[in-house]
Amino acid sequence: DAGVIQSPRHEVTEMGQEVTLRCKPISGHDYLFWYRQTMMRGLELLIYFNNNVPIDDSGMPEDRFSAKMPNASFSTLKIQPSEPRDSAVYFCASSVNPFNSMDTQYFGPGTRLTVL
Amino acid sequence: DQQVKQNSPSLSVQEGRISILNCDYTNSMFDYFLWYKKYPAEGPTFLISISSIKDKNEDGRFTVFLNKSAKHLSLHIVPSQPGDSAVYFCAASLHNFNKFYFGSGTKLNVKP
Repeated sequence: DAGVIQSPRHEVTEMGQEVTLRCKPISGHDYLFWYRQTMMRGLELLIYFNNNVPIDDSGMPEDRFSAKMPNASFSTLKIQPSEPRDSAVYFCASSVNPFNSMDTQYFGPGTRLTVL
Repeated sequence: DQQVKQNSPSLSVQEGRISILNCDYTNSMFDYFLWYKKYPAEGPTFLISISSIKDKNEDGRFTVFLNKSAKHLSLHIVPSQPGDSAVYFCAASLHNFNKFYFGSGTKLNVKP
């Protein structure tokens, strides 16, 4: 398996623009997670899906952020409008069942977002 | 409010010596703890885990200790190798509530 695939790997945009980050989870994984990594706050869980349904979005910072999972093999994280403080590395992860002690999450390589 | 804290942002250790990475948590209901390792320009990868019903789990050079009374978790790497240089994240989960929490990470540098 190719692992979790994220695109783009790098994104540079200007303040106010819309940004869309994409993720393809590992086939057969029922859970998908979006994280953000910053120097100040470390790794933050933004939202996660189970069987394409959003379960917990309490980590989404504000209404400018939205996430969708239209099918089992694709998810997007959108920021509209983007702001300089959104600059971070965004990770997508997938898992069969992270709440089973025998399982874990598999992370993608991340998307480095820079908002000027 | 961070429920999982890694108070040391960085740690430097000589090759061959022991590395000890620490993690504190606030919620006594956490039932599972994990450590992830992250190299630059890559996503975190799972390293080792421990259930709250245990106090120690060992996997090769890596051992995780859990002290529930102190709400403290530590990762020991013995002996440390330069390839262990990475950022280490501590994580905790509440299975019954489907919640996950990560610490802010500790950057380990193992000097040759």
